[in-house]
Formats: sequence, C-alpha cells, structure tokens
Amino acid sequence: ELKVEQNPLFLSMQEGKNYTIYCNYSTTSDRLYWYRQDPGKSLESLFVLLSNGAVKQEGRLMASLDTKARLSTLHITAAVHDLSATYFCAVAPYNNNDMRFGAGTRLTVKP
Amino acid sequence: GAVVSQHPSRVICKSGTSVKIECRSLDFQATTMFWYRQFPKQSLMLMATSNEGSKATYEQGVEKDKFLINHASLTLSTLTVTSAHPEDSSFYICSANGATNTEAFFGQGTRLTVV
Repeated sequence: ELKVEQNPLFLSMQEGKNYTIYCNYSTTSDRLYWYRQDPGKSLESLFVLLSNGAVKQEGRLMASLDTKARLSTLHITAAVHDLSATYFCAVAPYNNNDMRFGAGTRLTVKP
Repeated sequence: GAVVSQHPSRVICKSGTSVKIECRSLDFQATTMFWYRQFPKQSLMLMATSNEGSKATYEQGVEKDKFLINHASLTLSTLTVTSAHPEDSSFYICSANGATNTEAFFGQGTRLTVV
C-alpha cells in the first residue's frame, strides 16, 4: 500500500525566512503533486512533478523530486504572510490515477 | 486548466435523509473521477473511484451502500450519502484527471452538515 509521509505537520515561520517541507513516499511512482488549501476551500494545484530530478518554481515556492530517494521537497523562500495555508503533497502510483495524500503541513507566516 | 464543478457547495440535512452531491467536468470528458472526504484539520482520504459506465471502486472501510456513486456520463459523477448521520458531516471533494492524465482537477468541495 502506498504511504505518503509529510513533515513537518505544523510550521510557524517569520516573514523573510526560508524553510523546506518534505514528502516521502513508500512505493514507486511517476507523479508527485503539491497542493495548497486555504481554510474552507478546495485544493489549488501548485506543482506537478513527473520525472526524477524535476524542479519547478513559482514565485517564492520551489518543488523538486528525487524518485530514487522517493522524496519531494517544497522550498519556501523569503516567506510572506500570504503563504499561510495548508500544503499537501500527493502521489499517484504507476498505472493508477488515484492519489494518496500526505497529512498536510499547516504553515503560518508571522510578521 | 480544466474545470471541475461541484454542487452544492454547502448543504445541511437532517439525520436519516439522503444528500446528493454532483461533480461535473465542464470542458473535458472524464472517464474516471475520484471522491475524497476530509474531516476538519485532516488530510484528504480517497473514498472511491468512479468509473463511467461501470461500478465504482470503493476503498477499504467505505460502505458502498451508504455512499452511492453513479457515473452515468463522461462529464458527471454523483455521490449520494444515504441515511446520513452526524458522523457523516465532512468536506467532500471530487476530482477528475485531464486529457493527459497527469494532472488532477478538483471541484470546489461540498461541506455537508448533518443535524
């Protein structure tokens, strides 16, 4: 059974600081996703990572994928308050489209 | 990107009644849709995979007779919560994969409250 572990679960940062969220998964996969969720809302797609070594950046967020280590990271650079949200990674196994989600990281960026 | 529309966004119902939630792919065809449930401050848990023209595949522990899924067309899947109880109160989210099958598009979610 595919398991997805995400850490930390809670992250309180000061504005301007950098931090990384980690996502480990247990079986071979060819698709890794990062989502953002604001309170009471559905998921907003941030990144789709499809190959080993993939790196994508959007604004202050950068995601990478190491399929050999079964690890993805979401790096936050110079955090701002607007980034406060819950971030989920999700993995879809080979030949299967149903995604398994990590527990989520609740990020709070303080002034 | 592709759009998935979920309706209603909020519903309050009495215990023992049934509630239907619709999930539509607006600008693409989706042979497969997924239904998730999210309890407060928790992650999304896959409930079932909805397949157009065939029976849904349910995850272990999800009662298929309680959560009825119908995927009658390539653009519509419905989830009916039958004989709802307060413990069924949750945020239900559907998703569908786009044409390339590499990206999932999520509906807006439905907040169900059973009183």
